[in-house]
Amino acid sequence: EDKVVQSPLSLVVHEGDTVTLNCSYEVTNFRSLLWYKQEKKAPTFLFMLTSSGIEKKSGRLSSILDKKELFSILNITATQTGDSAIYLCASNAGGTSYGKLTFGQGTILTVHP
Amino acid sequence: DTGVSQNPRHKITKRGQNVTFRCDPISEHNRLYWYRQTLGQGPEFLTYFQNEAQLEKSRLLSDRFSAERPKGSFSTLEIQRTEQGDSAMYLCASSLVYGQGIYGYTFGSGTRLTVV
Repeated sequence: EDKVVQSPLSLVVHEGDTVTLNCSYEVTNFRSLLWYKQEKKAPTFLFMLTSSGIEKKSGRLSSILDKKELFSILNITATQTGDSAIYLCASNAGGTSYGKLTFGQGTILTVHP
Repeated sequence: DTGVSQNPRHKITKRGQNVTFRCDPISEHNRLYWYRQTLGQGPEFLTYFQNEAQLEKSRLLSDRFSAERPKGSFSTLEIQRTEQGDSAMYLCASSLVYGQGIYGYTFGSGTRLTVV
């Protein structure tokens, strides 16, 4: 059974800090890894990673995938209170399960002013 | 494009009652997915449709759960004889799958079910 594990489960920082969120996976027929930000409602898409070692960047957020060691990290620099949310990573397998996402438990990030 | 729309946003029901949720996906998307999320956990896959065909169902989807996508557009998820353990956020998502790619995987805001 596919498995995704995130760490830490929760993190409290102050504005301006840099954080690194971790995601490890054990997935049969792995195709891609996705990161989402969830505030009070729908998870909103951040990144989709398919290739090892290629950093994806969007403003203060960046993410990279290591397909040899089976993990991904999400970095947020110069954190702001608006970054407070649950960050979810999810694996996407191929074959007949293509598109079916397996999520980790999420990391709850709290950014204090 | 108004995104993925789910109704109702909240539902409180008594144990033993039946409930039905609706999901309207992004119009050009051919895949529609249902997930369930409980407090402190990530979403768990329930089922998905390719157009009107239901292609996979999770073991989590007991006989009390049924999902339909009758014309390949909107979908409904029905829970019969609700139990307190069914209390959760039910999330719908849609995407376009074309060739080897998957595009625009978007979640709705969810329906929060409370069974009392």
